[in-house]
Amino acid sequence: QAVLTQPSSLSASPGASASLTCTLRSGINVGTYRIYWYQQKPGSPPQYLLRYKSDSDKQQGSGVPSRFSGSKDASANAGILLISGLQSEDEADYYCMIWHSSACVFGGGTKLTVL
Amino acid sequence: EVQLVQSGAEVKKPGESLRISCKGSGYSFTSYWISWVRQMPGKGLEWMGRIDPSDSYTNYSPSFQGHVTISADKSISTAYLQWSSLKASDTAMYYCATLGVWGQGTTVTVSS
Repeated sequence: QAVLTQPSSLSASPGASASLTCTLRSGINVGTYRIYWYQQKPGSPPQYLLRYKSDSDKQQGSGVPSRFSGSKDASANAGILLISGLQSEDEADYYCMIWHSSACVFGGGTKLTVL
Repeated sequence: EVQLVQSGAEVKKPGESLRISCKGSGYSFTSYWISWVRQMPGKGLEWMGRIDPSDSYTNYSPSFQGHVTISADKSISTAYLQWSSLKASDTAMYYCATLGVWGQGTTVTVSS
């Protein structure tokens, strides 16, 4: 079982909100991790969006709009990237990441389609 | 402004060696680890390993340990990723990253 699991794709309409999940493997407690989120558009390197551990331990990437936000669902053992007011330019691949046992681990990525 | 500038695209044959580079600027190069990340065509991100440029201490993903070498030259603020014997399966885009900033990527193509 992968350390981080993301749905492979998600579709949402312009102006709506999209909730991207990043589920941690059983036995790895989401509460103890900072979860990092990256956006990647075709032909470009990933861009850092934000990190989230708790409301008192979070960081927004430089220049990243506030409509991108992080949270957690402890009951689902998952990190969440919420994108509100979806725009066509938000169409991209999104990756979550944690540092686990001194190694960086990425989720498989979610392709977000805005249509 | 923190910047990472990577070396240009490479086309190599199987069995050849290669070293690609990543030059940091706009920050204290020796204060932050630099990671290398692989992205195979049409696939996701895979962390390969990282280096502490202050002392060249490294740690690798088990998936890449022994297959690549990460090094750094702090005198010129540059990190490196190298292979001694490339395989076709090394064909990918390679990124360096630190402090949330990513290099532009280096495409490596290995083909006979």
